[in-house]
Amino acid sequence: GNSVTQMEGPVTLSEEAFLTINCTYTATGYPSLFWYVQYPGEGLQLLLKATKADDKGSNKGFEATYRKETTSFHLEKGSVQVSDSAVYFCALRDSSYKLIFGSGTRLLVRP
Amino acid sequence: GAVVSQHPSWVICKSGTSVKIECRSLDFQATTMFWYRQFPKQSLMLMATSNEGSKATYEQGVEKDKFLINHASLTLSTLTVTSAHPEDSSFYICSRASGSSADTQYFGPGTRLTVL
Repeated sequence: GNSVTQMEGPVTLSEEAFLTINCTYTATGYPSLFWYVQYPGEGLQLLLKATKADDKGSNKGFEATYRKETTSFHLEKGSVQVSDSAVYFCALRDSSYKLIFGSGTRLLVRP
Repeated sequence: GAVVSQHPSWVICKSGTSVKIECRSLDFQATTMFWYRQFPKQSLMLMATSNEGSKATYEQGVEKDKFLINHASLTLSTLTVTSAHPEDSSFYICSRASGSSADTQYFGPGTRLTVL
């Protein structure tokens, strides 16, 4: 069945450091891929998405490229801020509305 | 601002009692809403799809009689955990699909249930 695997956290970085959170998926067909972010005390919010191979999603300085050959959708940001501290979820959606999530990666950015 | 709200944000109940969790779509009439469950340090697992005016569609392994879903209006879906037991303790999250894009979902802040 379809599944998403992402790196375990927590990931602790200093402000302005480079961020990578790895995400790989297993799916039949051609799923859409997403990164959701959950800030403390809030609901999950869509951060970015990509709907087909080689698409790059980007938002708020974050980027992720849909790599079909490696079945990956790694999240990157060149310079993190304290306000980026949150839990990040990689997810896929196949032919239905159903989302399948990874286990989440907590990011802590220190001043 | 938030487009999906949940109430309560947390609840503690005794084993054997029932607990109702409300999920409201604040800015959009949602014919379809989703209920997820999240265990500590684990991913969100879809429990069921709530359909306005009809029966919910449950995922495999989810007990229909245990987790009652009612979607009586276009802005409200409720999840009732019946005869709750400690193993039902979890974080329950609802969502609705975006009206403009079927790809994305808007999530509520979640409800933490603790069954003693």
